[in-house]
Amino acid sequence: TQLLEQSPQFLSIQEGENLTVYCNSSSVFSSLQWYRQEPGEGPVLLVTVVTGGEVKKLKRLTFQFGDARKDSSLHITAAQPGDTGLYLCAGGGNYGQNFVFGPGTRLSVLP
Amino acid sequence: EAQVTQNPRYLITVTGKKLTVTCSQNMNHEYMSWYRQDPGLGLRQIYYSMNVEVTDKGDVPEGYKVSRKEKRNFPLILESPSPNQTSLYFCASSYLVGGWYEQYFGPGTRLTVT
Repeated sequence: TQLLEQSPQFLSIQEGENLTVYCNSSSVFSSLQWYRQEPGEGPVLLVTVVTGGEVKKLKRLTFQFGDARKDSSLHITAAQPGDTGLYLCAGGGNYGQNFVFGPGTRLSVLP
Repeated sequence: EAQVTQNPRYLITVTGKKLTVTCSQNMNHEYMSWYRQDPGLGLRQIYYSMNVEVTDKGDVPEGYKVSRKEKRNFPLILESPSPNQTSLYFCASSYLVGGWYEQYFGPGTRLTVT
């Protein structure tokens, strides 16, 4: 079974600070996804990265897929309270495979 | 509006009493999944379905059943619920983009088994 680890588990920062969260595995994934989940709701897909070394930007969020496709990072610039939530990475889900999720990073951005 | 719906949203039941959680999507997606979410363990896939009448086990299938008789519906059945199945359950519907699936999640069903 492929496993995904995420760090840090919890992160509390002030509005305006930058942060990076990590998603790591000992297995190679053909793609990795990042989701954000808010309390009482289901996860919402933010991005899918598929090529080793790929960098994708979504406004103030920058996602990177490691060259070996075993890890990924999410960097948030000038965090805002609206960024508060649980950030999950997920892999697998290719045709015929099941999805694997990491345990998540719970981010709190204080005003 | 594209959406995944689950019912009920909250359910408290007793050990051994069969229950079904329904899931429906209006996006004509072929791939659907069920997950459970537990503190510290993240989301774990229970079952998934690639298409009508095609289902397969995820990482934690024990104690659960699914069926996929129609493309839009994917119910989760607990034949004899036990307290260790107390959890937050999510249904997801997915479409193929390139070689991978992108998932839309329902709002969740919080199940308590006493």
